[in-house]
Amino acid sequence: GEDVEQSLFLSVREGDSSVINCTYTDSSSTYLYWYKQEPGAGLQLLTYIFSNMDMKQDQRLTVLLNKKDKHLSLRIADTQTGDSAIYFCAEKRHSSASKIIFGSGTRLSIRP
Amino acid sequence: DGGITQSPKYLFRKEGQNVTLSCEQNLNHDAMYWYRQDPGQGLRLIYYSQIVNDFQKGDIAEGYSVSREKKESFPLTVTSAQKNPTAFYLCASTGEDRNNSPLHFGNGTRLTVT
Repeated sequence: GEDVEQSLFLSVREGDSSVINCTYTDSSSTYLYWYKQEPGAGLQLLTYIFSNMDMKQDQRLTVLLNKKDKHLSLRIADTQTGDSAIYFCAEKRHSSASKIIFGSGTRLSIRP
Repeated sequence: DGGITQSPKYLFRKEGQNVTLSCEQNLNHDAMYWYRQDPGQGLRLIYYSQIVNDFQKGDIAEGYSVSREKKESFPLTVTSAQKNPTAFYLCASTGEDRNNSPLHFGNGTRLTVT
């Protein structure tokens, strides 16, 4: 199939780490992205990784890419209430540079 | 500040009426896109334009139309032929270096058709 798949919900305790997972299908993907969407707003780019990398760290965010398994994850360290949002994984495919394919989003909720 | 502006934020229309959603960008981006977002679903591509006076259908173009007369503007018309138009519509753009240029999004327009 052509889907980018994510689980729909994740609940974590404030201060813990959140790990949001994503699987994709196209081995020719060039870039993989993580976007954050707060209620009623557009999508904000959080980070991205090039397909020849296996890890990227940016402050509290760590992206891991397993190209063999076509698995991408986003780890948020020390999760805060402001991290509550929907997180979208997206891939840019080499075969179609003008199209970016999105997953259905993971809603992250934070419990005290 | 550079960015993408979508207006209005909320839009209400009666069934059978066409409605046009505005999208303007001052990022000097070549490519612009329209996505539709429904609850619990990812973004689905409606139309995109890589250059002025040219545009292509996305995955769900039926019932929609666009124009790209200026680089800065990419309005979307939701026609009465669109069977289920109530949704959240997102406009986005990318720069010249499209290989390493992520999508930049506006804040969306929520359209409700009754």
